[in-house]
Amino acid sequence: SQTIHQWPATLVQPVGSPLSLECTVEGTSNPNLYWYRQAAGRGLQLLFYSVGIGQISSEVPQNLSASRPQDRQFILSSKKLLLSDSGFYLCALTGRGADTQYFGPGTRLTVL
Amino acid sequence: KQEVTQIPAALSVPEGENLVLNCSFTDSAIYNLQWFRQDPGKGLTSLLLIQSSQREQTSGRLNASLDKSSGRSTLYIAASQPGDSATYLCAVFNAGNNRKLIWGLGTSLAVNP
Repeated sequence: SQTIHQWPATLVQPVGSPLSLECTVEGTSNPNLYWYRQAAGRGLQLLFYSVGIGQISSEVPQNLSASRPQDRQFILSSKKLLLSDSGFYLCALTGRGADTQYFGPGTRLTVL
Repeated sequence: KQEVTQIPAALSVPEGENLVLNCSFTDSAIYNLQWFRQDPGKGLTSLLLIQSSQREQTSGRLNASLDKSSGRSTLYIAASQPGDSATYLCAVFNAGNNRKLIWGLGTSLAVNP
């Protein structure tokens, strides 16, 4: 069965600092990968998804970017964090097609 | 544009009650509908997936139904327990775009001992 790893689990960063969150998956090949953000008291917001290496679709224009350098690795980055980037970041995967979506444990990011 | 709505936003019940959570969607052209559970500070856990051709799915004390023509799904929880306390979210994969889920905002459930 598939497993999703995210790190770090928690992160406190000053405004204007860079960000790199990593997601790696096991137990599956060629998955669709997703980055979501969940702000306090709000729903899930899809940020990026990827259907293959180097293929990134952006859902929300902002100061974040994503990359998929390997089939089972998905990275979320920012050059300069904003206060509004605070939230709970979740990595998820589905198999090919409209499949069950599986989630990682999440990263809690606080920007001060 | 597909929109998913969940009612109620919050629900508090005594232990042992049977309860129903509601999910509605505006476009009936879906591949499937999925129900998830999220505990505070945790990732989401998939509970049930109903294909568009199916009417219901069951897992233990959980039963999810789908009425695609009316754009509705219900999640039935039998004999609720305090351990069922969590936020329950539903989401749909649109037909023609099976790459991303469209999410509701969730129902926050508290089951009181």
